[in-house]
Amino acid sequence: LAKTTQPISMDSYEGQEVNITCSHNNIATNDYITWYQQFPSQGPRFIIQGYKTKVTNEVASLFIPADRKSSTLSLPRVSLSDTAVYYCLVGDMRNAGNMLTFGGGTRLMVKP
Amino acid sequence: ETGVTQSPTHLIKTRGQQVTLRCSSQSGHNTVSWYQQALGQGPQFIFQYYREEENGRGNFPPRFSGLQFPNYSSELNVNALELDDSALYLCASSPAGSYEQYFGPGTRLTVT
Repeated sequence: LAKTTQPISMDSYEGQEVNITCSHNNIATNDYITWYQQFPSQGPRFIIQGYKTKVTNEVASLFIPADRKSSTLSLPRVSLSDTAVYYCLVGDMRNAGNMLTFGGGTRLMVKP
Repeated sequence: ETGVTQSPTHLIKTRGQQVTLRCSSQSGHNTVSWYQQALGQGPQFIFQYYREEENGRGNFPPRFSGLQFPNYSSELNVNALELDDSALYLCASSPAGSYEQYFGPGTRLTVT
């Protein structure tokens, strides 16, 4: 499975746009990029997934450059409730085992 | 639609004892995965069950075992508990071949 590297922590203020970048230099052809959010004492929650270019849903956007060696999760106009740990995962989840390998994640702190 | 549920919420065991954790998957999901999350770290994949068969395993010793039942609910059993087994144990369910996993709230296990 491709190894991912994310910043350990980030600070932001309410109303700002937050961009969290994940590096995955050895991503394989069949790998997808998935982001999860986790609040303290809760299980992770799926945010968004993509393969290339740009994906947008109601909560976030995911930007993936042509070489796919990195990806950026964009959270528009964050609020205090967006304070959480964000995990970037890379892999072909369709394979037997459907294994998710979580790294250390990025701890986002949103301040008032 | 009922989400993923886990029981018990909290558990305290003594080193050397055995423990069974339970998970009810989301309706329509036939794949269940178990993760161990130590404090301050990302979840680590233990194993996955698909149609009552183990379908992939992470780097955990054989004293970690599991079962999946015909209704797709699952159990995680840990024998000969060690202090390092203290963690949040997460269960996640998904439809077969899906990239998106739905996590339960977890069981907090403390081994003394």
